[in-house]
Amino acid sequence: QKEVEQDPGPLSVPEGAIVSLNCTYSNSAFQYFMWYRQYSRKGPELLMYTYSSGNKEDGRFTAQVDKSSKYISLFIRDSQPSDSATYLCAMRGDNAGNMLTFGGGTRLMVKP
Amino acid sequence: GAGVSQSPRYKVAKRGQDVALRCDPISGHVSLFWYQQALGQGPEFLTYFQNEAQLDKSGLPSDRFFAERPEGSVSTLKIQRTQKEDSAVYLCASSFLLQSNEQFFGPGTRLTVL
Repeated sequence: QKEVEQDPGPLSVPEGAIVSLNCTYSNSAFQYFMWYRQYSRKGPELLMYTYSSGNKEDGRFTAQVDKSSKYISLFIRDSQPSDSATYLCAMRGDNAGNMLTFGGGTRLMVKP
Repeated sequence: GAGVSQSPRYKVAKRGQDVALRCDPISGHVSLFWYQQALGQGPEFLTYFQNEAQLDKSGLPSDRFFAERPEGSVSTLKIQRTQKEDSAVYLCASSFLLQSNEQFFGPGTRLTVL
């Protein structure tokens, strides 16, 4: 079993919908949680990161971390066709250097 | 440069050939990382450097994989005697600080081994 699990999708939603993307993990040492967006044939780009449990909001994006359940989420409000991409969760511990452990990614398609 | 660059963008190799993949990190970034991304999967850690020092190479899948960063800037990932299972996208990332949470990724090199 992988340390970080993520539903691969694809997830197809109409434009304007609220999107919920999730990851579960097994390593309780993870402290930093990130969401990356990856367009086809491009490298991942960082959307948001949070430390430990809690919520963080940035524009249309909200990241949530529940360490007690080992569950993290990314919500996208008012989704746009330009949000169509693969979303990767990633995480690391305090003492793991800076090496990131990624989920497998969820492919999102927002239809006009 | 404005971002992390990698070359070549695409590489086709015959099984058994050696390949070298180059990464130019963002100027001034101390840390440099290599990840391997198989088709439909998330990136998996291979190795990372702080300046010229290779601090962790635990993710390298075999001794056919070798990485270097001799002057603490450009890095090269070398794969000897390539095998079909080496086919993947190889991503390079850099960050300003070792403990920074923001790693900037390059576009990757897509390696296909025939």
